[in-house]
Amino acid sequence: DTEVTQTPKHLVMGMTNKKSLKCEQHMGHRAMYWYKQKAKKPPELMFVYSYEKLSINESVPSRFSPECPNSSLLNLHLHALQPEDSALYLCASSHLGTGRDTGELFFGEGSRLTVL
Amino acid sequence: GDSVTQMEGPVTLSEEAFLTINCTYTATGYPSLFWYVQYPGEGLQLLLKATKADDKGSNKGFEATYRKETTSFHLEKGSVQVSDSAVYFCALGQAGTALIFGKGTTLSVSS
Repeated sequence: DTEVTQTPKHLVMGMTNKKSLKCEQHMGHRAMYWYKQKAKKPPELMFVYSYEKLSINESVPSRFSPECPNSSLLNLHLHALQPEDSALYLCASSHLGTGRDTGELFFGEGSRLTVL
Repeated sequence: GDSVTQMEGPVTLSEEAFLTINCTYTATGYPSLFWYVQYPGEGLQLLLKATKADDKGSNKGFEATYRKETTSFHLEKGSVQVSDSAVYFCALGQAGTALIFGKGTTLSVSS
C-alpha cells in the first residue's frame, strides 16, 4: 500500500472547468512534489514545496496552481486546461531538507486526467 | 550536470528468460541510485535502491549493483514472468536536488 494518497484516481474535465487534484502523506516528510507524466515517458517535475513553501516552479503555465495547506497536504488546482494537458499527474514526497535525504521520492498512484 | 542513460527498448522476452536493462550515469558527488517500476495503469513504485558504491539493491528477484568504476547500475533478473511487464526507470538522486530519471525501458514478457 502506498503511503502517498492521491484523489481522484481519474478525472475528466472540459476546457472551461475548474477542478482540483489532492495529495496526502503521513510519513512526516517536509517536501512534496507534483509531476506530470505522459505514457511511457519519465515524469516531468512541475512544482516542489519544501516546508510548505513553494521552492521550485518549473515554468509551469498559470492554468496549474499548486497549494500546500500544511506539511501533509498538497493540492493542484486546474483551470482552463488544454487537451495536451491530459496526462498522469503524480504526487511525491521526500526527506528533502533533512538528514535522511538521499534524493529518493515516494510516489502516489497518480491521478489520470483527461481534458476534452 | 548529472545525467542518467538507460537502454530504451522496448525489450521483449519470453517467460523465464534472463533480463538485463543497462543504466549508466554521470554525476558529481556521491549519488544514490534507484530503479522505479511502473506497471500498466499505475503510478511509480520504488523497485530497489543503492546509496553507495558496491551496494547491491534487490527486490522481487531483481538486482542491481552500484558500480562506481563503470558508473553503472544495471538491472538484472534471472527468470522474468509475464507479471514483470512494465516500464522501468533508472534514476539518480542526491540530497537537496531533484531526482533525475532515465528515459525508461518498456519490458514485455510473453508466455
